[in-house]
Amino acid sequence: AQTVTQSQPEMSVQEAETVTLSCTYDTSESNYYLFWYKQPPSRQMILVIRQEAYKQQNATENRFSVNFQKAAKSFSLKISDSQLGDTAMYFCAFMKPGRSQGGKLIFGQGTELSVKP
Amino acid sequence: NAGVTQTPKFQVLKTGQSMTLQCAQDMNHNSMYWYRQDPGMGLRLIYYSASEGTTDKGEVPNGYNVSRLNKREFSLRLESAAPSQTSVYFCASRPGLAGSSYEQYFGPGTRLTVT
Repeated sequence: AQTVTQSQPEMSVQEAETVTLSCTYDTSESNYYLFWYKQPPSRQMILVIRQEAYKQQNATENRFSVNFQKAAKSFSLKISDSQLGDTAMYFCAFMKPGRSQGGKLIFGQGTELSVKP
Repeated sequence: NAGVTQTPKFQVLKTGQSMTLQCAQDMNHNSMYWYRQDPGMGLRLIYYSASEGTTDKGEVPNGYNVSRLNKREFSLRLESAAPSQTSVYFCASRPGLAGSSYEQYFGPGTRLTVT
């Protein structure tokens, strides 16, 4: 069974600085998807970034980028130029594609990020 | 488009009471999901429906039942609530079509307290 581990329950960063959130996963599959979701205090789950395992290039979305290390089974999220609005819980998630898998997401425990002024 | 909607937003139940959490999506998605979120444990899948007419158990199905009423609606029922079911419940949906992005779209959540 696949597992996802986020080893940093809490992190803080000064506004305008860069922070990296860690995520490791365990799978024997070669094809899969990885996601970072953001959950602000409003509780709404928001997709931040997505990575397909077959793509070697790391995904980037504006100030958010990932460092995907397939052999190490590591998927970290880097937030550049941190803003107060980045304060949230961040979840790493894993999905196996394919009709028989049903598109289920397996989540890590979450990292609570505080951006300080 | 309202996206994914959930009712109610908050609920307090006594042990042994029953209730149904409602979820609807207006994006014509095929697949729908129910998760629960507990502190320090992330989100865990309770049940899912890969397509209209099918439902399957997830990681933590005990104490719950689901109904995929039609393509839009997917309800979660607690027949006899227990304090261990105190949690925040999220419904999600995704297109479920070949070649789609696999992104799941989440509702706003229901905070349930069982006393």
